[in-house]
Amino acid sequence: EAAVTQSPRNKVAVTGGKVTLSCNQTNNHNNMYWYRQDTGHGLRLIHYSYGAGSTEKGDIPDGYKASRPSQENFSLILELATPSQTSVYFCASGDRTEQYFGPGTRLTVL
Amino acid sequence: GDSVIQMQGQVTLSENDFLFINCTYSTTGYPTLFWYVQYSGEGPQLLLQVTTANNKGSSRGFEATYDKGTTSFHLQKTSVQEIDSAVYYCAMRSYTEGADRLTFGKGTQLIIQP
Repeated sequence: EAAVTQSPRNKVAVTGGKVTLSCNQTNNHNNMYWYRQDTGHGLRLIHYSYGAGSTEKGDIPDGYKASRPSQENFSLILELATPSQTSVYFCASGDRTEQYFGPGTRLTVL
Repeated sequence: GDSVIQMQGQVTLSENDFLFINCTYSTTGYPTLFWYVQYSGEGPQLLLQVTTANNKGSSRGFEATYDKGTTSFHLQKTSVQEIDSAVYYCAMRSYTEGADRLTFGKGTQLIIQP
């Protein structure tokens, strides 16, 4: 049974629209992370969280917000989506030894 | 800030060839080093951790070695198979500036020709 799930798995959005990507984990990890994956750039950290109510900026936070309402859920919010945000987004939860990734969300902004 | 450099963007080998992928890192903290693997259509998953205690780690036929002097760590496998086709990421965990996070290299696409 998958411990980190993401929804939706695929999303097409229009420029200027609002997009919310959701992540749920059953690992009971305090730490959760959002990455984007692009050819030539690998995995880049957008936001992360140390627990419910906390969010921290990663390396590329501009244009993104994050929300951690509970231990299990961590959302990534694009208030005004742009074509440059077309990418594959991965959520992960982590303990002291490992990060566990979800299956990814493919976002296309037209 | 922390950085991980993974120069090989793509490696193409034949079955039973030797695999070698190198990474270098830079940090002011005390790093823990990892290799992650990502198969097509899936999220990355941990392949192995390199322990600084004995400078090595191994899993599923892969071995990783760490050299503190050159701040590098590499992944190798003696005889690759077609099922090893995937993207391999080196990663470093550090605690600089109070953040507990991973910094990833850009990834190496491994293509195994039958």
